[in-house]
Amino acid sequence: GAGVSQSPSNKVTEKGKDVELRCDPISGHTALYWYRQSLGQGLEFLIYFQGNSAPDKSGLPSDRFSAERTGGSVSTLTIQRTQQEDSAVYLCASTLGLTPQETQYFGPGTRLLVL
Amino acid sequence: QQQVKQSPQSLIVQKGGISIINCAYENTAFDYFPWYQQFPGKGPALLIAIRPDVSEKKEGRFTISFNKSAKQFSLHIMDSQPGDSATYFCAAEGGSNYKLTFGKGTLLTVNP
Repeated sequence: GAGVSQSPSNKVTEKGKDVELRCDPISGHTALYWYRQSLGQGLEFLIYFQGNSAPDKSGLPSDRFSAERTGGSVSTLTIQRTQQEDSAVYLCASTLGLTPQETQYFGPGTRLLVL
Repeated sequence: QQQVKQSPQSLIVQKGGISIINCAYENTAFDYFPWYQQFPGKGPALLIAIRPDVSEKKEGRFTISFNKSAKQFSLHIMDSQPGDSATYFCAAEGGSNYKLTFGKGTLLTVNP
């Protein structure tokens, strides 16, 4: 069984451009989480999905950020009109279900650099 | 508001020594406290976790100590090895949601 995969592994973009980051969770995992890891700032929760719905979007920093999940599997995080402060590692994690205290399995992340 | 405070930011230990990383939390609804280990270029991976009904949990060289009244918990790495060099994050979960609130991380370097 493959783990969580993310693509691209690295992305360099120019300020003002839109970017899409992809996450493939572990097969059969129903819950999916997005986090942002900035240098020296730990991991910041962005959004999570149960199936295709997002019960908690509270961590999305602005309306430039959006995410969707289709077919209960792949998720895409979109950042519109990127800014330099968006530069970070974007991590995706998945869990088998949505019950308390489940282990979150993380992907390797997408390193985004906005010039 | 930083709900989970982690210290130190970085730590250098000699091989064979004890590494200690501390975390403090504010939200009394938290009821699950995992530690994640992250190597460069990789995503975090669960190392060990504790629930507040116990004061200590040990798995091999890794021990979590938990003080509910002080709202603090710590990770102890005994007989630290160079392969333990990584960034360690404490986290907390609880209340009505399933998201993890992370500390800012501790970069551990174990010198040979």
